[in-house]
Amino acid sequence: AQRVTQPEKLLSVFKGAPVELKCNYSYSGSPELFWYVQYSRQRLQLLLRHISRESIKGFTADLNKGETSFHLKKPFAQEEDSAMYYCALSGSARQLTFGSGTQLTVLP
Amino acid sequence: GAGVSQTPSNKVTEKGKYVELRCDPISGHTALYWYRQSLGQGPEFLIYFQGTGAADDSGLPNDRFFAVRPEGSVSTLKIQRTERGDSAVYLCASSLQGAFNTGELFFGEGSRLTVL
Repeated sequence: AQRVTQPEKLLSVFKGAPVELKCNYSYSGSPELFWYVQYSRQRLQLLLRHISRESIKGFTADLNKGETSFHLKKPFAQEEDSAMYYCALSGSARQLTFGSGTQLTVLP
Repeated sequence: GAGVSQTPSNKVTEKGKYVELRCDPISGHTALYWYRQSLGQGPEFLIYFQGTGAADDSGLPNDRFFAVRPEGSVSTLKIQRTERGDSAVYLCASSLQGAFNTGELFFGEGSRLTVL
């Protein structure tokens, strides 16, 4: 079975402060990990994927297989980063398993 | 249209009634997914189509739920004898065949179902 845990339902930071959204997973094989984001009144959309090792909108995420984590980080949060963030895992099945999400609020 | 389209956007029904939710994926996307999102939770997988066939229906909670995609494009999620616990936002997503490992699913805005 595959499982994704996001321990924080709500996270608030001030503009310009660093932000880290936590994600832990459980999967016996070699997973693919993703972060999806949903801005207010918009659709759920892909933010980044670990296989690309890319930085999107200043966000990065590193897969740590030893700690089974895929935390999302940004060194300087912006107000437009306020959104709901979902960590997701793809295992052998061709479908994504999502965490319960973290609502990020960046305060001015 | 440019994106995944879902209808209706909102549906209120009474317990025991039958409901159909429709999804029109992005043109050319052969893979189609249905997810259900309850309040305060992340999307929960229901079923995945590759073309016309259901490649994985392991997420359907019971036999009251059924989905079809007869021509490999539009899909309909059907719920019989609705229960209050079925109240949720039902999300549809599509992706290009063979592109799944990129993880890029394109989601619709969802159909909010309320069972009274």
